[in-house]
Amino acid sequence: KNQVEQSPQSLIILEGKNCTLQCNYTVSPFSNLRWYKQDTGRGPVSLTIMTFSENTKSNGRYTATLDADTKQSSLHITASQLSDSASYICVVSSNHNAGNMLTFGGGTRLMVKP
Amino acid sequence: NAGVTQTPKFRILKIGQSMTLQCTQDMNHNYMYWYRQDPGMGLKLIYYSVGAGITDKGEVPNGYNVSRSTTEDFPLRLELAAPSQTSVYFCASSYYPPTDTQYFGPGTRLTVL
Repeated sequence: KNQVEQSPQSLIILEGKNCTLQCNYTVSPFSNLRWYKQDTGRGPVSLTIMTFSENTKSNGRYTATLDADTKQSSLHITASQLSDSASYICVVSSNHNAGNMLTFGGGTRLMVKP
Repeated sequence: NAGVTQTPKFRILKIGQSMTLQCTQDMNHNYMYWYRQDPGMGLKLIYYSVGAGITDKGEVPNGYNVSRSTTEDFPLRLELAAPSQTSVYFCASSYYPPTDTQYFGPGTRLTVL
């Protein structure tokens, strides 16, 4: 069964600090991995997408890494801001039909405090 | 572009009542999806559609129905609401999976009492 596990479940950091969120997956066959940001009361918004051959991808202060051998990904947030407070969701795609294509992790809830 | 819009934002139903969650996208996407998100859990796919007139079941379709008469609209119907259907429902759309990004609506928070 395809699964995506994220850790930690929740995290509190001070504004300006860095943090790293983890994602482990067992999805086969693997197509790509996305990190989404979900603000409270809103739908998820895509941050990064990585395919099998990509090791790292940046989007501003967000940097995602992928180790396809160990089936692990991380999302590093640099110089955190209050607006980074949100849930971060790891989503893995497989090369099946549209209905089976995405497996969602449970998310990491990040709170950035002043 | 408004993107993906959903109505209503909130709804409280009594057990056994029915309702339709509306979803509209203005990006001319062929693929549309309905997900539910329970607290602390990942999104689960309920139904999806690859184009007007074509729908198929996802992981958790029981208790729901969908239709896709136009490219823009993908309503989700709940028949005989049950407390287990209390959740946040998200509609999404994309050009083509699995390489394309899905764009999500703001969600509908449903409570069944």
